[in-house]
Amino acid sequence: QKEVEQNSGPLSVPEGAIASLNCTYSDRGSQSFFWYRQYSGKSPELIMFIYSNGDKEDGRFTAQLNKASQYVSLLIRDSQPSDSATYLCASPRGSGNTGKLIFGQGTTLQVKP
Amino acid sequence: GAVVSQHPSRVICKSGTSVKIECRSLDFQATTMFWYRQFPKQSLMLMATSNEGSKATYEQGVEKDKFLINHASLTLSTLTVTSAHPEDSSFYICSATSRGNQPQHFGDGTRLSIL
Repeated sequence: QKEVEQNSGPLSVPEGAIASLNCTYSDRGSQSFFWYRQYSGKSPELIMFIYSNGDKEDGRFTAQLNKASQYVSLLIRDSQPSDSATYLCASPRGSGNTGKLIFGQGTTLQVKP
Repeated sequence: GAVVSQHPSRVICKSGTSVKIECRSLDFQATTMFWYRQFPKQSLMLMATSNEGSKATYEQGVEKDKFLINHASLTLSTLTVTSAHPEDSSFYICSATSRGNQPQHFGDGTRLSIL
């Protein structure tokens, strides 16, 4: 089992819909989770981070963390074609506090006009 | 927000050339910087972890003599691809973090093309 797992997709949603991106993790000790967006040919960009159980909202984005079930999700409301990208879920590796991240393989989101 | 500057954005050079890439954290002190490589349609691959004032830690399979990393200050790390060959052509991306449990912030990447 991969440490951080995402469905590679592609996930296709119509413009204006809610896109739901999911990520599961195997290390129960994981404390922090980050969502990055990567456009084709560009570097990753941090869009959300979450440390506590529950929801965290920032504009059209909501991150949800459920530590008991070991999943973290990203909801994008009112999806726009400009949201089409690969979304990477990441968590710091182990307890060594090295700053290294374990990345999921990324989910490709396609928002169709 | 946190800003990481990476330079140059694109390099095209002949085989055998050494290429230096700079990564700077502009508005925070980066205790740790990371260097990644990404081939088209593939995932990010961590090459090495760089801590200020100490030797870089390389991931398995990454040649430390080929990819020289220097982290001279809390705001600057450099990656030098020595005697580059066409198979080294890739998208190189740096990132920086201020603490272990904080997110990494990425530079814009350097697209390296070796002819």
